[in-house]
Amino acid sequence: EVQLLESGGGLVQPGGSLRVSCAASGFILNNYAMTWVRQAPGKGPEWVSGISGSGSRTSYADSVKGRFTISRDNPGNTVYLQMNSLTAEDTAVYYCAKGECTSSSCYVDYWGQGILVTVSS
Amino acid sequence: SYVLTQPPSVSEAPGKTARVTCGGTNIGSKSVHWYQQKPGQAPVLVISYDSDRPSGIPERFSGSNSGNTATLTISRVEAGDEADYYCQVWDNRSDHWVFGGGTKLTVL
Repeated sequence: EVQLLESGGGLVQPGGSLRVSCAASGFILNNYAMTWVRQAPGKGPEWVSGISGSGSRTSYADSVKGRFTISRDNPGNTVYLQMNSLTAEDTAVYYCAKGECTSSSCYVDYWGQGILVTVSS
Repeated sequence: SYVLTQPPSVSEAPGKTARVTCGGTNIGSKSVHWYQQKPGQAPVLVISYDSDRPSGIPERFSGSNSGNTATLTISRVEAGDEADYYCQVWDNRSDHWVFGGGTKLTVL
């Protein structure tokens, strides 16, 4: 059974940093792209970042580029999102998601339960 | 960046057919995926690659995609279908995943 378990969320002050982690199980992590999707209160999902199975290729939404870094530890079955220079606009539930990708498209076939990141003084 | 546009809300009576649209420039050339999200829960994939239904999703859910509009069709709507629905594409030029703004389906 595929499971994605996020951790590391919480309250952080504006300008601060936080790293959220995603422990993956039930599948071979290095065979799949992984992505982070966030959802602000009352809003729709917003794609944040993605990483290829090997970790050699990463991509970021314009809203987080230069501030967030996605990485993965395949032997340790964990994906990370390092978030720096946080602002109130980064407040959201952050979902770790398993990607199902071909050469033509990608979609999410499994989602974590989500973890809340609140940026506030 | 690529933009997907959805109507904020759609309403339909039980037993009728509900259609949720997703607009984008030449979206017919892309593969569209659809998710259902109920309050307090993570999204769930209901349609992939325009019209493929994952295991466990009722046959009442179907999809199509042509020109500038993709459509999620829910036949014989039930009260349990009341949820937010989001379309999503992968923009291969930017390697970005793009979500639509979402449509709230209300079952009257």
